[in-house]
Amino acid sequence: GAVVSQHPSWVICKSGTSVKIECRSLDFQATTMFWYRQFPKQSLMLMATSNEGSKATYEQGVEKDKFLINHASLTLSTLTVTSAHPEDSSFYICSASSLAGGTGYNEQFFGPGTRLTVL
Amino acid sequence: DAKTTQPPSMDCAEGRAANLPCNHSTISGNEYVYWYRQIHSQGPQYIIHGLKNNETNEMASLIITEDRKSSTLILPHATLRDTAVYYCIVRVGVSVSQGNLIFGKGTKLSVKP
Repeated sequence: GAVVSQHPSWVICKSGTSVKIECRSLDFQATTMFWYRQFPKQSLMLMATSNEGSKATYEQGVEKDKFLINHASLTLSTLTVTSAHPEDSSFYICSASSLAGGTGYNEQFFGPGTRLTVL
Repeated sequence: DAKTTQPPSMDCAEGRAANLPCNHSTISGNEYVYWYRQIHSQGPQYIIHGLKNNETNEMASLIITEDRKSSTLILPHATLRDTAVYYCIVRVGVSVSQGNLIFGKGTKLSVKP
C-alpha cells in the first residue's frame, strides 16, 4: 500500500507556543489529505479535510484559526497548532488519498501519528 | 453515513480464527463496508472493504449478510500482532469525494497466547 509519513513522531512544547506537524505522501500524489485527532482511549475524530491548492474544510467545533492547515503541494500537508495549551495534547493523525487512482483504490492511507504534549 | 455497532472488546486465542461482528442495519444501497484497525499508538491500517459480495485478501475475509445489515471480519489465524482496535465503517462509494471515514469506538481485539 501507499506510504504516508508524519514528522515529528512526538513533540513536547510549552503552553503558548506553536507546533507544526508535517504529513507527507511518499510514493503517490495526494489530492486530498485529512487531519484527525485522538484523545486517550477515544476514537479518531476528523478535524479537517484539505485539497491541494485550496483552503481546508473544518469540521464543526474545530477552530480554523487555531489549527492552521496548509496543503501547498501534492505530497505535503502541514498542521500548525497555534498557541498550544495542555488541552490540545493529543495524538494527531493524517491520512492521504488520491482521486487520480494513484493509490490503486482511492483509499485513505494513514500516517503513523504525532503525539503532542503541551506542558 | 450509516452508524455501526460493534462489541467493545473480544478475546481470541493465538492461531485461532477471530470473527469480529458489525451491525449496520441502516446501511444504504450505495454504502460500502470498510474495516480498519489501529494498533496501539499507530495510525489506522486499511484491512478490507466490500459492497455486497464477500471479499478476501491477504489479511482477512469480509462476510456481508444478504440483507447487508451486518458483516463479519474474519482473521483466519490470529497472531499476537493482530491485537488492535478494529473499526467497522460504512461510507458511500470508494472515493473520498463521496464521504469521509467516520470512526466509531471499534472492537478491541486481544489475541492471547
